[in-house]
Amino acid sequence: DAKTTQPPSMDCAEGRAANLPCNHSTISGNEYVYWYRQIHSQGPQYIIHGLKNNETNEMASLIITEDRKSSTLILPHATLRDTAVYYCIVRVGDGGYQKVTFGTGTKLQVIP
Amino acid sequence: DSGVTQTPKHLITATGQRVTLRCSPRSGDLSVYWYQQSLDQGLQFLIQYYNGEERAKGNILERFSAQQFPDLHSELNLSSLELGDSALYFCASSVDRISYEQYFGPGTRLTVT
Repeated sequence: DAKTTQPPSMDCAEGRAANLPCNHSTISGNEYVYWYRQIHSQGPQYIIHGLKNNETNEMASLIITEDRKSSTLILPHATLRDTAVYYCIVRVGDGGYQKVTFGTGTKLQVIP
Repeated sequence: DSGVTQTPKHLITATGQRVTLRCSPRSGDLSVYWYQQSLDQGLQFLIQYYNGEERAKGNILERFSAQQFPDLHSELNLSSLELGDSALYFCASSVDRISYEQYFGPGTRLTVT
């Protein structure tokens, strides 16, 4: 199973873009990259996922490098409510089974 | 609000006891997942059920068991509780068996004294 590496913490000024990196150098061709976040002790919240191409939704953008060994989650205009732990996850499993492993994530602090 | 409900919200019990945590998935979701989040180990996947059948197993102890009922709600049973079992237990659901758009419930905080 591919593992991910994320910086333990980051700060971002309110209103600026938050760029959260993730390294997944051992990712295999059919594995997706997913991002979740967890605000305080609430249940994690799905943000976005992608395979090869860059993806964008109403919450964020996901940029995946051409070799797929790393990715960046972009929150275009961070607000105080975006302060959370962000998890980068790589899909594992086969035959319809799946196992999700959440690492330690990046604690994003949005500063006023 | 994710649409996933979990009860109880808090649970305090003694070592050696047995507890049952309950989860109701979002309407229409067939998969239910259980996770444990403790301070020292982060968020760990325990087990997945899809339409009543076990589909994937993670780091679930033998003292723990789960099931998914015909109405698709799920229960996680924890027995012979130890202090180290104190944690937040989350349930999540998804539409199908391989979706990663999992919707998490608010969690049950278990404290074992």
